[in-house]
Amino acid sequence: DAKTTQPNSMESNEEEPVHLPCNHSTISGTDYIHWYRQLPSQGPEYVIHGLTSNVNNRMASLAIAEDRKSSTLILHRATLRDAAVYYCILRAGGGGTSYGKLTFGQGTILTVHP
Amino acid sequence: EPEVTQTPSHQVTQMGQEVILRCVPISNHLYFYWYRQILGQKVEFLVSFYNNEISEKSEIFDDQFSVERPDGSNFTLKIRSTKLEDSAMYFCASSVAGYTGELFFGEGSRLTVL
Repeated sequence: DAKTTQPNSMESNEEEPVHLPCNHSTISGTDYIHWYRQLPSQGPEYVIHGLTSNVNNRMASLAIAEDRKSSTLILHRATLRDAAVYYCILRAGGGGTSYGKLTFGQGTILTVHP
Repeated sequence: EPEVTQTPSHQVTQMGQEVILRCVPISNHLYFYWYRQILGQKVEFLVSFYNNEISEKSEIFDDQFSVERPDGSNFTLKIRSTKLEDSAMYFCASSVAGYTGELFFGEGSRLTVL
């Protein structure tokens, strides 16, 4: 599985934007960039995913570098509920028999201060 | 909003006993997964299941583990003879698409082996 590198932790203040970086220099052409988060004592939760173009949804935005070797998850206005572990994951885009399993790393622990 | 449900939320068992963890995936989903998370560690892939058969499994998923979809709605994980090191949170997930879609995770079943 292609590897991602994220900072161990980041801090933010409530209602400020948060930019969570992820490096994936060994990404292959068919890998999708997925972001999940895990709130305390809960299962992982899908945030957003993309392939080449920047993506927006109701939770966040995903900015993907032109060479696809890095990406940034953007939370536009952090709330206390956004405090979680954020995982950047490369998911095989097709072929073979992997059926797109997710391989979780350690993620980034986001702390949001009131 | 549809969700993945898991039962039991917490099970305590004696070493050597059989355990069955149950999951009800989202109804129109076709791909099913089990993951586990030992306390303080990362989320680990166990197995993926599609078209009534295992499509991929990890090294953790040895002969002590099995999965089945007995009635078209439930998706179960059986641990035949539990060990102390099986103590973990077990998460079920499902997705409608195998490669590009998001995975929806349940809240997890906490297994404690004494």
